[in-house]
Amino acid sequence: NAGVTQTPKFRVLKTGQSMTLLCAQDMNHEYMYWYRQDPGMGLRLIHYSVGEGTTAKGEVPDGYNVSRLKKQNFLLGLESAAPSQTSVYFCASRETGGKYYEQYFGPGTRLTVT
Amino acid sequence: KQEVTQIPAALSVPEGENLVLNCSFTDSAIYNLQWFRQDPGKGLTSLLLIQSSQREQTSGRLNASLDKSSGRSTLYIAASQPGDSATYLCAVKYNNNDMRFGAGTRLTVKP
Repeated sequence: NAGVTQTPKFRVLKTGQSMTLLCAQDMNHEYMYWYRQDPGMGLRLIHYSVGEGTTAKGEVPDGYNVSRLKKQNFLLGLESAAPSQTSVYFCASRETGGKYYEQYFGPGTRLTVT
Repeated sequence: KQEVTQIPAALSVPEGENLVLNCSFTDSAIYNLQWFRQDPGKGLTSLLLIQSSQREQTSGRLNASLDKSSGRSTLYIAASQPGDSATYLCAVKYNNNDMRFGAGTRLTVKP
């Protein structure tokens, strides 16, 4: 049981380039989330999904797109990377059916945009 | 606005000391509050989750309390060890899909 995994672990992009971050979970969780973490700030929610084929915006969605074609995978896309998107990106998942359920986090992807 | 604040931003203590980390939140209509540990360059590890109807949770040397009316939570670490050195994050869940995080307290326990 791998839990939540993220690919890649590190990436450097040039301004204007595009990329996709992959999050995978093997816990059969319905809910999945993408956060970014910046120095001196807490994690902020970018987008989330409440099930296969569904996505919704979080607190800071601009410049990102997401897709949830399979229940176990949640993809985060940057169409035209900007230096302001330099951050550490975390994926999380949780069970459905209750407001008390914990979120389980992946190890993070460190992205630098030059 | 739903804000979560953690004070202090950094804390250094000698090994063996008991310590308290603080978390405050502006909106008391919470669903739950969760404390996480984050090691440098790593993801988040859940330590304790307190439901809105609970006052505290304990796990080993850790005890987390919740006072919704005052908008505060504390994480108490007993007999601190160098291995406890990490950043501790507080996160408040407000509705089904909205979790707000504090910026964290960076703890250093000196041998």
